[in-house]
Formats: sequence, structure tokens, C-alpha cells
Amino acid sequence: AQSVTQLGSHVSVSEGALVLLRCNYSSSVPPYLFWYVQYPNQGLQLLLKYTSAATLVKGINGFEAEFKKSETSFHLTKPSAHMSDAAEYFCAVSEAGNQFYFGTGTSLTVIP
Amino acid sequence: NAGVTQTPKFRVLKTGQSMTLLCAQDMNHEYMYWYRQDPGMGLRLIHYSVGEGTTAKGEVPDGYNVSRLKKQNFLLGLESAAPSQTSVYFCATRLWGGADTQYFGPGTRLTVL
Repeated sequence: AQSVTQLGSHVSVSEGALVLLRCNYSSSVPPYLFWYVQYPNQGLQLLLKYTSAATLVKGINGFEAEFKKSETSFHLTKPSAHMSDAAEYFCAVSEAGNQFYFGTGTSLTVIP
Repeated sequence: NAGVTQTPKFRVLKTGQSMTLLCAQDMNHEYMYWYRQDPGMGLRLIHYSVGEGTTAKGEVPDGYNVSRLKKQNFLLGLESAAPSQTSVYFCATRLWGGADTQYFGPGTRLTVL
């Protein structure tokens, strides 16, 4: 069975500081991994996804994530936080089947 | 291109009332999903469909029914609403499975009194 764990339901960073949001997954086969962002009162938007090509994946708005098979991790990073990055972030995993499995989300606060 | 739309955006029901949420997509995607989002619980899958005329249960299907009579529409029904069904409901679509991305609608905020 697949599962996704996001460590830290709330993360606060100062504007300009590094953003690190953690995601660990469990999967019996090499998975497909996704990060989504949700701004207040909106649906989820895709930030980036890993589909077994390069292990370092670049997404929109300066975010990137690295797939580490040995650690079963897919952490999301951004070198310098901006006020507009304040949102809820969800990690998700999919195998070859029909369903996505989402983590419980991390709320990012950016302090001016 | 509207993408994924949801109707209505907001609704308030009394316990025991029924309603139907409509999800419509113009992307010609095969797969469609209904999720509910509650604080601290992420997104939980209610039902999904892998093609016109097919539906399947997700993680939390009790109290909900769905239908996919047309490829572009996926309906979520609440036959007898309960306060526990107060939530934000999201529809999502996907071309196929595997590595394909899910695309989300804007959500429906439902309150059951």
C-alpha cells in the first residue's frame, strides 16, 4: 500500500530564507511523485512532478525537488522565500494505477 | 478552455436534505475524481471514475453516490446530508493513470446545518 508523510504541518520561514518542505513516501514499486500548491480558497495547482527521468526536478516559481530512492524522500525546496509563497503544499504519490495518494499538507508562512 | 469547473461554489443544506454537485471538464480526460478536504486531513478520495459509465469507491465513499453518464461530467450526490459532510469538495481530472497529472477544479464549500 502506498502512503505519503509530510513532516511538519506548519512551517514558518523569513522572507529570503531557504524553504524546505519534507515528504516521505512508501511504495512497493518506483513511484511517480508530485508536489501541489493550494492558495487560499482555490483548488490545487501542480508545482512539479517526478516521473523517473532526472532525480532533480525543477518546477514553477523557483521550486525544485529531489527524488532520493534510498531515503524514500521527495523534499521540496526553494532557495529564497517570497511573500507570495505563503500557501498550503501537498505531496502526492501515484503508481501505475488509478489513484493518487496525498499527504496531509504543510502550511507555509513567510515572515516579512 | 474552461478546464475543470464545479457547480455550485457554495451551498448550505439542512440535515437530511439532498443535493448534487456537478464537475465538468473540457480536456477530454478519461479519469475523474471527487475528494473532500478537511482541516488537518489533507484530501480524501470519495469516488472516482476511469471512464464514461464506470465508477469506483475511494477511501471515504459512505453517504455519497456518483454517476458518470457522459465523459465530460462527473456528479456527486448526497442523498441525506449530515453535518459530518460539511467540507470543501474538489473535483479532479486526469488523462490516464500513472505519471499523468491531476487537474483540480476550484472547489465547492458545503455546509450542513
